[in-house]
Amino acid sequence: GQNIDQPTEMTATEGAIVQINCTYQTSGFNGLFWYQQHAGEAPTFLSYNVLDGLEEKGRFSSFLSRSKGYSYLLLKELQMKDSASYLCAVRDRVGNTDKLIFGTGTRLQVFP
Amino acid sequence: GAVVSQHPSWVICKSGTSVKIECRSLDFQATTMFWYRQFPKQSLMLMATSNEGSKATYEQGVEKDKFLINHASLTLSTLTVTSAHPEDSSFYICSARDQRITYEQYFGPGTRLTVT
Repeated sequence: GQNIDQPTEMTATEGAIVQINCTYQTSGFNGLFWYQQHAGEAPTFLSYNVLDGLEEKGRFSSFLSRSKGYSYLLLKELQMKDSASYLCAVRDRVGNTDKLIFGTGTRLQVFP
Repeated sequence: GAVVSQHPSWVICKSGTSVKIECRSLDFQATTMFWYRQFPKQSLMLMATSNEGSKATYEQGVEKDKFLINHASLTLSTLTVTSAHPEDSSFYICSARDQRITYEQYFGPGTRLTVT
């Protein structure tokens, strides 16, 4: 089956670093995405990992370990505007189908 | 960058009526489009995968006769919610895959449906 787990909520302080973990079990892993979503808006793309290791993009970094079925999103120098939901999504390829399976999402609240 | 639009952005309808939501890729061709539903404080749930010129593939538990999907061109997919009920009230989001960049999906802004 397919299962993607993230913490439901996290809080952090402005200027701090926060790590959001994601564990997954899917049939045909073909990459992992992280998206940011503000309330009432569509998700926006943050990162994509298909190979093991760390991908860094400005204040945001994403790590993947395929053998462990594990990823994390690291947010540095937190800003108030980073308060949002962060969605882990796995690209699941089975036969001719190729689709994104989303985790439950992690609501991050940044305090001053 | 790639842009996906949805229309309408919000709609209120009465129980028993049908509502059509459009999803368009504005500056790229999308052979595949996806329809998601999101309830408050929950994540996105894939409803169906829509391929241009062929029938949509529905996820388990999604009624294909109730949620009609048409992907008639490389830039347009529509979702029609037929005989809407209050429990169909949700945030509907489409995404489109650029056929040149097969790993990334671009999301539309979403459509808020309220059924009274």
